[in-house]
Amino acid sequence: AQKVTQAQTEISVVEKEDVTLDCVYETRDTTYYLFWYKQPPSGELVFLIRRNSFDEQNEISGRYSWNFQKSTSSFNFTITASQVVDSAVYFCALKGYSTLTFGKGTMLLVSP
Amino acid sequence: GAGVSQTPSNKVTEKGKYVELRCDPISGHTALYWYRQSLGQGPEFLIYFQGTGAADDSGLPNDRFFAVRPEGSVSTLKIQRTERGDSAVYLCASSYRQNGELFFGEGSRLTVL
Repeated sequence: AQKVTQAQTEISVVEKEDVTLDCVYETRDTTYYLFWYKQPPSGELVFLIRRNSFDEQNEISGRYSWNFQKSTSSFNFTITASQVVDSAVYFCALKGYSTLTFGKGTMLLVSP
Repeated sequence: GAGVSQTPSNKVTEKGKYVELRCDPISGHTALYWYRQSLGQGPEFLIYFQGTGAADDSGLPNDRFFAVRPEGSVSTLKIQRTERGDSAVYLCASSYRQNGELFFGEGSRLTVL
């Protein structure tokens, strides 16, 4: 069985602070894919990143960066210099040989 | 349209009624997924179609739930004898390839009174 744990239920920061969202996963599959999605108040899930289990290179996209560590089964997401528009619920998800499994999400509140 | 389209966006019904929710995926996407999201929770998998056939329906909670995709494009999720516990946002997603990213619609919010 697959499992995704996002231990942080809610995080509040002030604009321009850096923030890291944690994601820990469990799977017995040897090949798997990890994802992050953003769900703003409007409700639509927005794809952010996909990473396969053989690629442990960290990735940076603008203010977003992701740290994949297979040794600790973690796929953490960092937002640098947070902005109010970053306020949303962020979901980490895992897909092995079965379907995409989501964590419970972390609500990020960025205040001005 | 460019994205995944779901209708209706909101549906209010009474306990015991029958409901249909429709999903129109991104053109060319062969994989289609239904998820259900309750307040404060992550999306919960219901069923996955590859083409016209249901490749995995292990997430359907019981036999009141059924989904079809007769021509490999539009899909309909059908819920019989609705219960208050069925109230949730039903999300549809499509994907171009099996392990690719899923693109989600805005969801259909179902409220069972």
